[in-house]
Amino acid sequence: DVKVTQSSRYLVKRTGEKVFLECVQDMDHENMFWYRQDPGLGLRLIYFSYDVKMKEKGDIPEGYSVSREKKERFSLILESASTNQTSMYLCASSPPGTGVYEQYFGPGTRLTVT
Amino acid sequence: AQSVTQLDSQVPVFEEAPVELRCNYSSSVSVYLFWYVQYPNQGLQLLLKYLSGSTLVESINGFEAEFNKSQTSFHLRKPSVHISDTAEYFCAVSVTGGFKTIFGAGTRLFVKA
Repeated sequence: DVKVTQSSRYLVKRTGEKVFLECVQDMDHENMFWYRQDPGLGLRLIYFSYDVKMKEKGDIPEGYSVSREKKERFSLILESASTNQTSMYLCASSPPGTGVYEQYFGPGTRLTVT
Repeated sequence: AQSVTQLDSQVPVFEEAPVELRCNYSSSVSVYLFWYVQYPNQGLQLLLKYLSGSTLVESINGFEAEFNKSQTSFHLRKPSVHISDTAEYFCAVSVTGGFKTIFGAGTRLFVKA
């Protein structure tokens, strides 16, 4: 059974803190993605990676960075958390290809920044 | 660039009634189309997808969607819903040669007893 796991289901952080969200997949997928999900806005792509050490900005990368040192792990970093980054964060992975493959999602991390 | 519009943010329906969740997309190139479902407190999972061939695609739990190229639509239907179908449904589109999938804003289906 394919699996994408995220390090925390719920996280509460203070404004200005550095926050790490971890994602691990066991499907040997090349592609990995970070999204944030907000009511009425659907999923918005923050960053994606198509190979180890490779990363590409998505639609809303400001305030975020990513790290992919190993194929199975993709980390999202909030350098200095702000209240407008309170959201649900979803990680996903997919095989390499040209858009034809579906994405496999983790359960999400609900981050609250106070 | 591609875009996806889900025309209803919420759809309340009684159990055993039929339902249609509407999705329209915009793209200047050929697309692949997906419906994902998100049950409460879970991540998204694939419900069904259209890649090519027959324009009517079905899921294992009774949902179906029809690709209509002339109307640029990919509406999701089920002839008789169950309480357990209560979830949020996302329409999504990707293109050949692209890494990105564009998601709609989602439709909350609420099935009432």
